[in-house]
Amino acid sequence: EVQLVQSGAEVKKPGESLKISCKGSGYSFTSYWIGWVRQMPGKGLEWMGIIYPGDSDTRYSPSFQGQVTISADKSISTAYLQWSSLKASDTAMYYCARLKGYCANGVCHPAYFDYWGQGTLVTVSS
Amino acid sequence: QSALTQPASVSGSPGQSITISCTGSSSDVGSYNLVSWYQQHPGKAPKLMIYEVIKRPSGVSNRFSGSKSGNTASLTISGLQAEDEADYYCCSYAGSSTWVFGIGTKVTVL
Repeated sequence: EVQLVQSGAEVKKPGESLKISCKGSGYSFTSYWIGWVRQMPGKGLEWMGIIYPGDSDTRYSPSFQGQVTISADKSISTAYLQWSSLKASDTAMYYCARLKGYCANGVCHPAYFDYWGQGTLVTVSS
Repeated sequence: QSALTQPASVSGSPGQSITISCTGSSSDVGSYNLVSWYQQHPGKAPKLMIYEVIKRPSGVSNRFSGSKSGNTASLTISGLQAEDEADYYCCSYAGSSTWVFGIGTKVTVL
């Protein structure tokens, strides 16, 4: 059974750093892209970025480029999302999700989010 | 990238059919048959309901169906049930390893 298990809720102060995690199991962790999605309180879903744990190839949404860092440790099947200096506006639920691929004409790329973690609530408040 | 446009809310009585639209552009919905739909109950993680416009994952009821015409994709829920009350989000691949979500639609079962 495919599972993505995220780390627990965090309460931080503005300016602090944070790294949250997403551990995959039940599938070949290095063979699928992992994405991160933000959901601010009462709002919709926003795609942040993706990483391929096999070689750590990473892509970011322009909205989040430079604001967060996505990484992975394939030896422990875990992906990470980190901030160097949190802001109050980073308060949100963060989900990781596995991306299933789509292949056409011999070219494959990640296409849609098929399995999701349970979410990690990050609260940033002074 | 702008979020895909969805109606804020859609409602229906049990047993009825409802359709949620998802309007994008020629850069996303119109260019790729890679529209997916997600159901999210309050306090829960999103769940994949439709992928590649029309396909249903194993375990998802056949009451859920997807379609696309031009820059607009749609999700239809037939035989509406109380358990279908949730938020629904569309998502489209937008090229160059980027994705865009819809703003979300709240489905209410009357």
